Amino acid sequence: GEDVEQSLFLSVREGDSSVINCTYTDSSSTYLYWYKQEPGAGLQLLTYIFSNMDMKQDQRLTVLLNKKDKHLSLRIADTQTGDSAIYFCAEKSGGYNKLIFGAGTRLAVHP
Amino acid sequence: ETGVTQTPRHLVMGMTNKKSLKCEQHLGHNAMYWYKQSAKKPLELMFVYSLEERVENNSVPSRFSPECPNSSHLFLHLHTLQPEDSALYLCASSQDLGQTNEKLFFGSGTQLSVL
Repeated sequence: GEDVEQSLFLSVREGDSSVINCTYTDSSSTYLYWYKQEPGAGLQLLTYIFSNMDMKQDQRLTVLLNKKDKHLSLRIADTQTGDSAIYFCAEKSGGYNKLIFGAGTRLAVHP
Repeated sequence: ETGVTQTPRHLVMGMTNKKSLKCEQHLGHNAMYWYKQSAKKPLELMFVYSLEERVENNSVPSRFSPECPNSSHLFLHLHTLQPEDSALYLCASSQDLGQTNEKLFFGSGTQLSVL
């Protein structure tokens, strides 16, 4: 079945890099996504990667995809307090726009 | 501001009440969605509408009744809810269904508490 798994918590020091990991099960997924949810807000698309890519970089964000192991990661360089949020991994599965979300990783950034 | 507005932001209701959640998108999108987010489960897709037609009802109990009068508005009518229905209800929209890479735009959600 379809399943996306993430670790629930990550704590990092301000200025360090954060790495959030995700595993998924649907090998036919065409796109994989990272969404960010700040307190009291909905989800906001952060970045995405097409399944035929290994890596995508967007400013401080680096997405790595290991399709063989069905493993996706999001690296945030120079993590700031404003990066504190819940990060959701999602895979596009099945018809139309059905996104399967992970449970979310809560990132806490401390001084 | 994502272009998707949900009201109310917070709602407390008794199990015998009837209430409605409202979602409005100003993005010119053709597809709209209701998601449920709770502490126990990750985001659960509830309903999908494309051009005002419901295309998915993801095994949602009948006490939740969606309505999409036009492509800009989506409602979720609630009646005789249970305490376990307490959750954050998120509305989202996307340009069209069936696109290879379709991005979802979410509202801020309605935090629902059922007493």
